Amino acid sequence: DAKTTQPTSMDCAEGRAANLPCNHSTISGNEYVYWYRQIHSQGPQYIIHGLKNNETNEMASLIITEDRKSSTLILPHATLRDTAVYYCIVRVESGGSNYKLTFGKGTLLTVNP
Amino acid sequence: NAGVMQNPRHLVRRRGQEARLRCSPVKGHSHVYWYRQLPEEGLKFMVYLQKENIIDESGMPKERFSAEFPKEGPSILRIQQVVRGDSAAYFCASSPYALTGERSGANVLTFGAGSRLTVL
Repeated sequence: DAKTTQPTSMDCAEGRAANLPCNHSTISGNEYVYWYRQIHSQGPQYIIHGLKNNETNEMASLIITEDRKSSTLILPHATLRDTAVYYCIVRVESGGSNYKLTFGKGTLLTVNP
Repeated sequence: NAGVMQNPRHLVRRRGQEARLRCSPVKGHSHVYWYRQLPEEGLKFMVYLQKENIIDESGMPKERFSAEFPKEGPSILRIQQVVRGDSAAYFCASSPYALTGERSGANVLTFGAGSRLTVL
């Protein structure tokens, strides 16, 4: 029941930028896009989230298109430790004014030496 | 400030036994979410609790599974009469407030390292 679409897998060379796309064409005007990643066998880790403006933090940058129907997560200088499954998520209503995050299949990013 | 603590990290049970998984959220967090990850699959939402209340249990099987988050103590995910299909990693996450979504550090989930249940 995820509301996003991501490629199944991507490769990236170590030291290069990794650009991970996500389509969320049904997103509503006030919904944020969240990105998490899961390194093998570990708990998911929050990366970044945004509404309509581009966002940047110490981990990554998030570029959201003007129509908000898609976004791209950018890891500027990928390292081998960035190999993980990356999830693009739009929150889902969970009863009343509560929300939850539902994870799709994500994109397996493999950073190669 | 410790993160989300889950225990046990690994649990082995025989078919028909009970499994209890515990989750201590980040200090001050009153919202807890449980997810299940079957081998080679993605995370599936199970249940969302807010101190003593179940907010959303739409992802939890109707039978054998229950969850609680008492006023004092950790959140517990309980699986009765386990079957081999229950073998999975169970992740707990917490947040300080409901996910209103605004640009603040409060609107993210912090995950634990997971509890891996193996049913023999």
